[in-house]
Amino acid sequence: RKEVEQDPGPFNVPEGATVAFNCTYSNSASQSFFWYRQDCRKEPKLLMSVYSSGNEDGRFTAQLNRASQYISLLIRDSKLSDSATYLCVVLAGNNRKLIWGLGTSLAVNP
Amino acid sequence: DAMVIQNPRYQVTQFGKPVTLSCSQTLNHNVMYWYQQKSSQAPKLLFHYYDKDFNNEADTPDNFQSRRPNTSFCFLDIRSPGLGDAAMYLCATSRIGTSGRPVSYEQYFGPGTRLTVT
Repeated sequence: RKEVEQDPGPFNVPEGATVAFNCTYSNSASQSFFWYRQDCRKEPKLLMSVYSSGNEDGRFTAQLNRASQYISLLIRDSKLSDSATYLCVVLAGNNRKLIWGLGTSLAVNP
Repeated sequence: DAMVIQNPRYQVTQFGKPVTLSCSQTLNHNVMYWYQQKSSQAPKLLFHYYDKDFNNEADTPDNFQSRRPNTSFCFLDIRSPGLGDAAMYLCATSRIGTSGRPVSYEQYFGPGTRLTVT
């Protein structure tokens, strides 16, 4: 089993749609979780940190379920500019290294 | 604005010709990382510096070396680039365990250097 697993997609949604991405992780001792966004041929950029049961930032909501070792990202009212790859990232046990999922590709269409 | 800077943004080198990529940061973060990312793959950690302490990943080839002369700068040296080393090289920083300051494990990336090997 991979340490961090994501559905690679691609997800194709119309503008204004709500879309959810899921991520599972294998290390039950993991304490910190992140969602990064990466545009084509650009660097990853931190979208949200998920430190407790979940948090919300505008149209974006991240949820954490420790019992199921599951993280989700919900995007409401999708914009064309949301088209990117979304990477689920888990802090390794030694608290220095990030374990990266392969990413979920999102295309928001007019 | 505080940031992570990488130079050059694009680098073309010949097979076997040594190349050095540079990274600098104005965030005053104590940890610096080098990642390799190939198309449709997740970033792959090569090594990181925790302050002056160098930490190599077990599967990083000996062909890849790094130097961190001070807090702000970090270099990636590829001693004999092969065709398989063509990739995006990403530098990232984070602030971990610094006394008296909030701990943040988030990593902040520079724009990357895209390496082509001919």
